[in-house]
Amino acid sequence: AQRVTQPEKLLSVFKGAPVELKCNYSYSGSPELFWYVQYSRQRLQLLLRHISRESIKGFTADLNKGETSFHLKKPFAQEEDSAMYYCALSGRGGSNYKLTFGKGTLLTVNP
Amino acid sequence: GAGVSQSPSNKVTEKGKDVELRCDPISGHTALYWYRQSLGQGLEFLIYFQGNSAPDKSGLPSDRFSAERTGGSVSTLTIQRTQQEDSAVYLCASRPGGPGELFFGEGSRLTVL
Repeated sequence: AQRVTQPEKLLSVFKGAPVELKCNYSYSGSPELFWYVQYSRQRLQLLLRHISRESIKGFTADLNKGETSFHLKKPFAQEEDSAMYYCALSGRGGSNYKLTFGKGTLLTVNP
Repeated sequence: GAGVSQSPSNKVTEKGKDVELRCDPISGHTALYWYRQSLGQGLEFLIYFQGNSAPDKSGLPSDRFSAERTGGSVSTLTIQRTQQEDSAVYLCASRPGGPGELFFGEGSRLTVL
């Protein structure tokens, strides 16, 4: 079974402060991890995936297999980062491409 | 169209009625997913179609829910004898076969009175 846990439903920070959105996962094989974001009145979209090792909009996420975590980080939050963030996990191969999402964290960046 | 298209965008129905929600994926995408989004529950997986393989129906919450995908393209999610707890936003997503980015539609908001 695959499971994604986002322990924080709500996270509020001030502009310019660092932000970390936590994500832990459970999966018996080698997973692929993603962060998706939904801005107000927009459709859900991909923010980043662990195999890309990219920094998107200043966000980074490192896969820690020992801790089974994939936390999303940004050193200096901006007001436009306010959105709903979902961590997601996919297996690899065959029917394992089902994408399982966490329950999401609503990030609010205050001015 | 350029993106995943869903219809209707909003549906209000009475308890006990049947509803059909439609998803038109991006052309050429062989994988299609349905999710349910509700407050406090996040994104719940419902069903996954991949090419001509048997769909993964493991997320359907009850036998009142069913989905089909005709000709490997358009998909319809059907909810029979709707209940108030079925009220949610139903999201469809597609991607090319294999791993990678999911492209989501804007969703169909279902309200069961």
